[in-house]
Parts: sequence; C-alpha cells; structure tokens
Amino acid sequence: ELKVEQNPLFLSMQEGKNYTIYCNYSTTSDRLYWYRQDPGKSLESLFVLLSNGAVKQEGRLMASLDTKARLSTLHITAAVHDLSATYFCAASVGNEKLTFGTGTRLTIIP
Amino acid sequence: DAGVIQSPRHEVTEMGQEVTLRCKPISGHNSLFWYRQTMMRGLELLIYFNNNVPIDDSGMPEDRFSAKMPNASFSTLKIQPSEPRDSAVYFCASSLAGPYGYTFGSGTRLTVV
Repeated sequence: ELKVEQNPLFLSMQEGKNYTIYCNYSTTSDRLYWYRQDPGKSLESLFVLLSNGAVKQEGRLMASLDTKARLSTLHITAAVHDLSATYFCAASVGNEKLTFGTGTRLTIIP
Repeated sequence: DAGVIQSPRHEVTEMGQEVTLRCKPISGHNSLFWYRQTMMRGLELLIYFNNNVPIDDSGMPEDRFSAKMPNASFSTLKIQPSEPRDSAVYFCASSLAGPYGYTFGSGTRLTVV
C-alpha cells in the first residue's frame, strides 16, 4: 500500500527567506503531485512530476523528484505573504487513486 | 471549461437523514474520485470510478455510504442514515488518462447535527 509522508506539518517563515517541504513515499510511484489549498477552498494543482530528476518551477515555487530516494521537495524562494496556504503532496501509480500526505501548513510572517 | 462541479456547496442536516452529494466531472475525463477531508484524518479516498465503473471502494466507511456513476457526466455520493461523525468536506475530482493532474471540485461542506 502506497503511503506518503510530508514534513514539516507546520512551517512559519519570514518573508524573503527560503525553505523546503519534503515528501517521502513508500513504494514505487510513477507520478508525484503538489497541490495548494487555501482555507475553506478546494485543492489547486501546482505541479505534476513524472520522471526521476524532474524539476518544475512556477514563480517562487520549485518542485523536484528523486524516484530512487522516493523523495520529492517543494522549495520556496524568497517567500511572500501570498504563499501562505497548506501544501499537499500526493502520489499515484498511473491514473489510479491519489494518496495524499498530511499537508504542510505554511505561514509567511511579514 | 467549467471545471468539476459539485452541489450543494453546503449541507446541514439532522442525524438520521439521507444526504446526497452530486458531482459533474470535466467533460472527457474518464476517472472520477470522491475524497473526504477532515482535520483529524486529512484527505481520504472514498471511492473511484474508471469509465463509470467503480474500481476501488475500500475507503467507503461503512454500508451507510454508497456511490453511483450512472453516466460519464454525473456521480452521486449518498449517506443514509447520516451521523455527526460524517461531518466533513467532501471533494469530487476527475482526471484524464495520461500524465495529467487531477482537477478537484469546490467541495461540499457537510454538517450533521
């Protein structure tokens, strides 16, 4: 059974700083996803990572995938308040069900 | 593209009542998923369909929960009878076969009193 672990669960950052959220998964998965969720809202797709060494960037967010280590990271560069949200990673095999991590609640402090 | 459409957005019901949640996936998507989100348990998959056929319902909590997908453009999740512990946000998501993301609906916030 595929299990996904994220850390940290909570992250409080100052504006302008860099930080990384980590996502480990337990068994072979060929797809890794990152989602953002604002309070009371739905999940917004950020990145889909499909192969070992994949790196995707959008603005101040960069996601990478190491399938050998079963590890994905979401790196935040020079954080701004608008990035405050809960970030989820999820893994799947093919188009089967997504298994989600616990989420990382990110708070950016001015 | 209107995205995944869920209704109602909010539902408040009394314990013991039947509740039906509805979902319209994105046209052309062939997989549909029902998730439940709570503070204690996070995001849990309840059931998913592929080409309207239920593939994995192992996450359905108990017999009080049932889901149907009579055609490619509509799915329902029914709880009968509802209990206070069913209070949660229920999300529907759909996806297209291939290396694409899953699109989530806006969710239904269910409160059972």
